Amino acid sequence: EVQLLESGGGLVKPGGSLRLSCAASGFTFSNAWMTWVRQAPGQGLEWVGRVKSKNDGETTDYAAPVKGRFTISRDDSKYTTYLQMNSLRKEDTAVYYCTTDPPGIAETYDSNGYLVVEAFDVWGQGTVVTVSS
Amino acid sequence: QSVLTQPPSASGTPGQRVTISCSGSNSNIGSNYVYWYQHLPKTAPKLLIYRNNRRPSGVPDRFSGSKSGTSASLANSGLRSEDEADYYCATWDDSLSAWVFGGGTKLTVL
Repeated sequence: EVQLLESGGGLVKPGGSLRLSCAASGFTFSNAWMTWVRQAPGQGLEWVGRVKSKNDGETTDYAAPVKGRFTISRDDSKYTTYLQMNSLRKEDTAVYYCTTDPPGIAETYDSNGYLVVEAFDVWGQGTVVTVSS
Repeated sequence: QSVLTQPPSASGTPGQRVTISCSGSNSNIGSNYVYWYQHLPKTAPKLLIYRNNRRPSGVPDRFSGSKSGTSASLANSGLRSEDEADYYCATWDDSLSAWVFGGGTKLTVL
């Protein structure tokens, strides 16, 4: 069974830091690009950023509002991805979802080297981050 | 203001056909796959359509996706009460080097 389990959310003061974790199981984590998506109260879904697989350089990309403040990393030995959030602002208050890239789809390489879909609906349950004084 | 433009709301009666549009540009929809998600409050988003028009197993066949140029659309060929939710389109934007979501469309089943 595919599962993403997030942890680390909570209440933090503006300017503070928080680290979210996302533990994966049920798919080939080492091949997956991992992504964070958030939804602020009353707003739509917003992409936060992603980390590519080690084979693809483990490079990262970030949305403009979080660039320079947030860092996404991964530890394949623990099947876990992390979202380190620094210099938090009130507008970072949101439900944060861990997922794959493309969002919701775990892709891997078959024996012929072709990219195939391994699993669908690969999402965490969401963790709430509240930035308030 | 979202990079991808969706109507904020849509509605229909049970059994009716409803379509939700998603408009972008050459740097996003025009050159990358489009994905559609259904989102209910306090739950994780659910993938409805991937790679423009493919449907994951388990998604009812009343849902379909299409793409033409810099626009995409999600169709529901027979509305059911359980389809009442928020719907989002998403794609990669080559200029922004970022995934972009539409602003979301709230679908109401009358």
